[in-house]
Amino acid sequence: EVQLVESGGGLVRPGRSLRLTCSASGFTFGAYGMSWFRQAPGKGLEWVGFIRSKAYYGTTEYAASVQGRFTISRDDSRSIAYLHMDSPNTEDTAVYYCTRLTSKYVDFDVYYFDYWGQGTPVTVSS
Amino acid sequence: DIQMTQSPSSLSASVGDRVTMTCRASQNINRLLNWYQQKPGKAPKLLIYAASRLQSGVSSRFSGSGSGTDFTLTISSLQPDDFAIYYCQQTYSTPQGTFGQGTKVEIK
Repeated sequence: EVQLVESGGGLVRPGRSLRLTCSASGFTFGAYGMSWFRQAPGKGLEWVGFIRSKAYYGTTEYAASVQGRFTISRDDSRSIAYLHMDSPNTEDTAVYYCTRLTSKYVDFDVYYFDYWGQGTPVTVSS
Repeated sequence: DIQMTQSPSSLSASVGDRVTMTCRASQNINRLLNWYQQKPGKAPKLLIYAASRLQSGVSSRFSGSGSGTDFTLTISSLQPDDFAIYYCQQTYSTPQGTFGQGTKVEIK
């Protein structure tokens, strides 16, 4: 059974750092790209960033709102993805989800996020 | 950036009703459109991918259609477990999976 479990959330002061962890099981972690999304209280879902598999050099992409402040990394030997949050501000307060990106060919290449963790809440406040 | 617009923002329906909601993309995204269901305090759950393909394990009362810029999610006979928020998501610009703002399905 595929499982994604986030941890590391909590209260953080503005400008301090925080590292979120996504522990995966039930699939070949290294073969998949992994994304982080977030959801501010009462709001919709926002893409935060993505890390490709090592087959695609483990490169990363980020939303403009977190570019330069957040960093995604992965440890395939431990089936873990990380989201390192530097200099968070109050607008980063949200539940953070890690997800698996699946690609498939069905007449054409399609992409979808089929497994999600339960989310870890982050509150940025002084 | 591709913008996704869902309508209505909320709807009220009764158990057994046929429910339809729409999602419009700001540009042609072919069929790279997914639908998710989210209940309070829970993670989103994938229902439909590639506009019309039912994710494994999801009830066949959910169906999706559309291509290009206009898409529809239909629930053929609303069940008590279906009251939730439904989001569309484009993956044309993968990995940036932009979501719509959601349609909340409430009990009439």
